Amino acid sequence: DAGVIQSPRHEVTEMGQEVTLRCKPISGHNSLFWYRQTMMRGLELLIYFNNNVPIDDSGMPEDRFSAKMPNASFSTLKIQPSEPRDSAVYFCASSPLTGTEAFFGQGTRLTVV
Amino acid sequence: GNSVTQMEGPVTLSEEAFLTINCTYTATGYPSLFWYVQYPGEGLQLLLKATKADDKGSNKGFEATYRKETTSFHLEKGSVQVSDSAVYFCALSDRSGNTPLVFGKGTRLSVIA
Repeated sequence: DAGVIQSPRHEVTEMGQEVTLRCKPISGHNSLFWYRQTMMRGLELLIYFNNNVPIDDSGMPEDRFSAKMPNASFSTLKIQPSEPRDSAVYFCASSPLTGTEAFFGQGTRLTVV
Repeated sequence: GNSVTQMEGPVTLSEEAFLTINCTYTATGYPSLFWYVQYPGEGLQLLLKATKADDKGSNKGFEATYRKETTSFHLEKGSVQVSDSAVYFCALSDRSGNTPLVFGKGTRLSVIA
């Protein structure tokens, strides 16, 4: 398996623009997680899904952030409108079940100018 | 709730030095314990794990023993290399199948030649 695949690897956008990050989890994994990593806050869990259903989105910082998982092989994290403080590395991870070993993607480095 | 506490970094060592990164946890029941490593510019990847008391996880010369009596899972390596420079995360799973992994804040290790 190719592992968790995220795209794009790097994104530079202007403040106010919409940003969409994409994730393809490992086939057969039932849980998917979105994390954000910054120097100031470290690694933060934003939202996670079980069987394509959002379970806990309490980590989503604001209403500007939304995430979807329309099927078992694809998820998106959208920021609209983006702000400079959203600049961070965003990771997607998947696991066979919630609470078991998580497999991380390479991350998307987002820069909002 | 469940939590993981890691020693603050950064840790700077000379090549071939002995490494210990402390990790203690708070959890109900009998969690599974993990160490993840994040190399520069990459996502987190599982380094080793232990699923029950007194288990020793090992990989790439790293070891950690699940100590229930001290609620600890310290990471050790006898002789570090420059290529071990990375951020190390301790994590736990309560194995309920209902909650994601809980991560520590990470410890940055720099190994100098």
